[in-house]
Amino acid sequence: QKEVEQDPGPLSVPEGAIVSLNCTYSNSAFQYFMWYRQYSRKGPELLMYTYSSGNKEDGRFTAQVDKSSKYISLFIRDSQPSDSATYLCAMSAAGANNLFFGTGTRLTVIP
Amino acid sequence: NAGVMQNPRHLVRRRGQEARLRCSPMKGHSHVYWYRQLPEEGLKFMVYLQKENIIDESGMPKERFSAEFPKEGPSILRIQQVVRGDSAAYFCASSPSRDNEQYFGPGTRLTVT
Repeated sequence: QKEVEQDPGPLSVPEGAIVSLNCTYSNSAFQYFMWYRQYSRKGPELLMYTYSSGNKEDGRFTAQVDKSSKYISLFIRDSQPSDSATYLCAMSAAGANNLFFGTGTRLTVIP
Repeated sequence: NAGVMQNPRHLVRRRGQEARLRCSPMKGHSHVYWYRQLPEEGLKFMVYLQKENIIDESGMPKERFSAEFPKEGPSILRIQQVVRGDSAAYFCASSPSRDNEQYFGPGTRLTVT
């Protein structure tokens, strides 16, 4: 079983739609949860960083963590064509040296 | 504030040659991480370094791969005697401390012919 599971998509939505991206994980020691956006042939760009359970909002982006279900989500409101990219979830345990990544979900927002 | 810098952005090597990938962390960051991304796969951790020290190299292949982060200058990921299976994108990330956000560079795309 992989440490982090993420549906690779692809996911296509019309402009203005609400997008929901999700990851599940198996390691209950994970405490830090991140979402990265990666455009084609570019480096991952940090979007959201959260600690433990709860919600965090930043502009059109909302990150949710449910540690009891080992499930994290990223919501994108009013999606734009510029949001078209691959979205990677990542997580780590406290005191750990590395991040564990999902394989990424490829999102296309159609104008 | 410049982000994480990596060079070269693209590197082509023939089988058996050496590849050297360089990473300069963000200003004020003393923690450097190297990850490898194979096609259709997620990023996989390779090594974690602080200045002059390798802290965790549990993700590094046992042979041909090495990394350093000298007191002066960039971090270097070195791959000796490259093989076709080494073809991948190699990303460097930096953070101001452990348990902090990691910021990634643009990556070096290595192609072994």
